[in-house]
Amino acid sequence: EAGVAQSPRYKIIEKRQSVAFWCNPISGHATLYWYQQILGQGPKLLIQFQNNGVVDDSQLPKDRFSAERLKGVDSTLKIQPAKLEDSAVYLCASRSSGTTDTQYFGPGTRLTVL
Amino acid sequence: GQQVMQIPQYQHVQEGEDFTTYCNSSTTLSNIQWYKQRPGGHPVFLIQLVKSGEVKKQKRLTFQFGEAKKNSSLHITATQTTDVGTYFCAGRQTGANNLFFGTGTRLTVIP
Repeated sequence: EAGVAQSPRYKIIEKRQSVAFWCNPISGHATLYWYQQILGQGPKLLIQFQNNGVVDDSQLPKDRFSAERLKGVDSTLKIQPAKLEDSAVYLCASRSSGTTDTQYFGPGTRLTVL
Repeated sequence: GQQVMQIPQYQHVQEGEDFTTYCNSSTTLSNIQWYKQRPGGHPVFLIQLVKSGEVKKQKRLTFQFGEAKKNSSLHITATQTTDVGTYFCAGRQTGANNLFFGTGTRLTVIP
């Protein structure tokens, strides 16, 4: 079974530029999460999708961050414009429906904003 | 809002010594999960605890969920260099949709 795929793995941009990350969850997983992990901290949830609908985006800075999962499969997370404090690893995770609560994480995208 | 704290933040042990990390939540949890993140890697699921007072073992790892369902611990017996990484607990508040990750404990094992 293939794991969660993310691209790119690394991205360096200057502040005020835009950037987009892509995630393809494990096949059949209805729930998809985007997390932000700043160096030395635990992952912080940005947004949770159930199929193509948003379940929780309460911690997403909506003035600059946006995310979509139009067909309920893969997802993109965009930052526009980026700030220095957005430097972090952006992790995508997915979970199957049913009783299991296990989240499977992708390798992440390491973003550096200069 | 919900907060999940872990102590210690860092732990250095000699190979063969035991290691314990503690996780405390400000609210009652419906379940708690533990993840391990190797340096440069991504979090990998270890286990989930659901019942009050539950204890689960995985080889040298012992996980415990407190009676009040607000705290948890992970104990590693006789650490090995392969145990190096950051251990995160993640709790789900009763009725909530998402997990709150703890601050993590970074384990270094000195050979």
